[in-house]
Order: sequence, then structure tokens, then C-alpha cells
Amino acid sequence: NAGVTQTPKFRVLKTGQSMTLLCAQDMNHEYMYWYRQDPGMGLRLIHYSVGEGTTAKGEVPDGYNVSRLKKQNFLLGLESAAPSQTSVYFCASRVESGGARNEQFFGPGTRLTVL
Amino acid sequence: GDSVTQMEGPVTLSEEAFLTINCTYTATGYPSLFWYVQYPGEGLQLLLKATKADDKGSNKGFEATYRKETTSFHLEKGSVQVSDSAVYFCALTVKYNFNKFYFGSGTKLNVKP
Repeated sequence: NAGVTQTPKFRVLKTGQSMTLLCAQDMNHEYMYWYRQDPGMGLRLIHYSVGEGTTAKGEVPDGYNVSRLKKQNFLLGLESAAPSQTSVYFCASRVESGGARNEQFFGPGTRLTVL
Repeated sequence: GDSVTQMEGPVTLSEEAFLTINCTYTATGYPSLFWYVQYPGEGLQLLLKATKADDKGSNKGFEATYRKETTSFHLEKGSVQVSDSAVYFCALTVKYNFNKFYFGSGTKLNVKP
């Protein structure tokens, strides 16, 4: 199993440009998450999904949109990038039930710089 | 509200030294507690966890005990190695709301040969 994968690994954008980050998991997990990691602030939840076709807002959703058209994929979109969105973005997933339901599995991250 | 506070870094140790990284929490429900590790250029990996009071999580020589009376989950290792150099995150999630994960700000550990 590849686990959780993210593309791209690095990206540089100019202010106002748009882009989509792709997260894919091959563990048949129901739940998927997008976080951003900023220095000294740990991880903050942007959006999450509890299943195919569903999405919900997290702690810092403004400026981002998401879609979960397929169970294995969770897309994070930036419609008009701003320098404040410079960050490292992590995707995570977890099972819905069972003993491991409170564990999240993380992807390797995408480092985004907005100039 | 629910939150996690962990000691600020960086922490610099010599190889074979004893490690403690402090973590305290505030939770309104029944938390499960976690330590995640992030190696340079990689994502977070679960290091260990504990799901109820007095549980001890352990993995790769690291240990942490869920102390309800002191609301703490300190990470310890008896003899660190250079390969343990990484950023360590304490985290909690609350029963009935596993979509909410609360992470500490991370503690960077540097181990020198």
C-alpha cells in the first residue's frame, strides 16, 4: 500500500493564481482531512470529509475549497492565492470504525509558497 | 475548550542522553492522547498513543503515560540517538468527535553525536 500520497510536493504561485492540491489514499478510509502547518502553530484543520460527496469546514477554511468526488481522493483548491497561504499542507485519513478509528494517517506534505 | 500545550524547543541533546518532552492538555470529554513524529521533509507518523488514564504508550524506545491527575502525557526516552532528531507533536482527540484533532506546536529535537 502507498498509504496517503500528495501531489505536488512543492509549488510556487503568484498572488491571485489558482491551484489544486491532490490527496489520494489506498486504505479505503472513509474520513479525509486537510491541514496546514505553520511555524510555531502546529497543525490546523482546514476542511474535512466524512465520506464521498461530503465536506465540512474546519478551523481555518477561508480562502480554500474542497471536493471529495471519489472516496480515495480529496482535493484542496485555492481560487485566488494570497501570501498568507504560504504554508505546508498535509492530508490525512482514517477509518470510520474499529479500534484504530482515532488514528490519522498523514501524507508527506505539499510545500506551497505564494509570492 | 480542548487544547494541547507542549514545551518549546529546540531541545539539543548528546547521543545517549535522557529525553523528556513535556505535554499537558485540556479536554472537556474523554481524550485519547498521541505523540506524532515528523522527520525532516516528511509527513507526521504516529509514534505512540494512549486511550485512557494510566495507559502507557510505547514504541521505538519512547514511552508516555496518560496522567489524568496532572493532565499530562510527557514523552520520554532513556537513550536518544542521532536518528531521533525530528519534530515531535503531542495531540489529542476526544471521544465522540474524532474529527477534531488538537495538536501542540511541536518540539524540535536535535541529537548530536
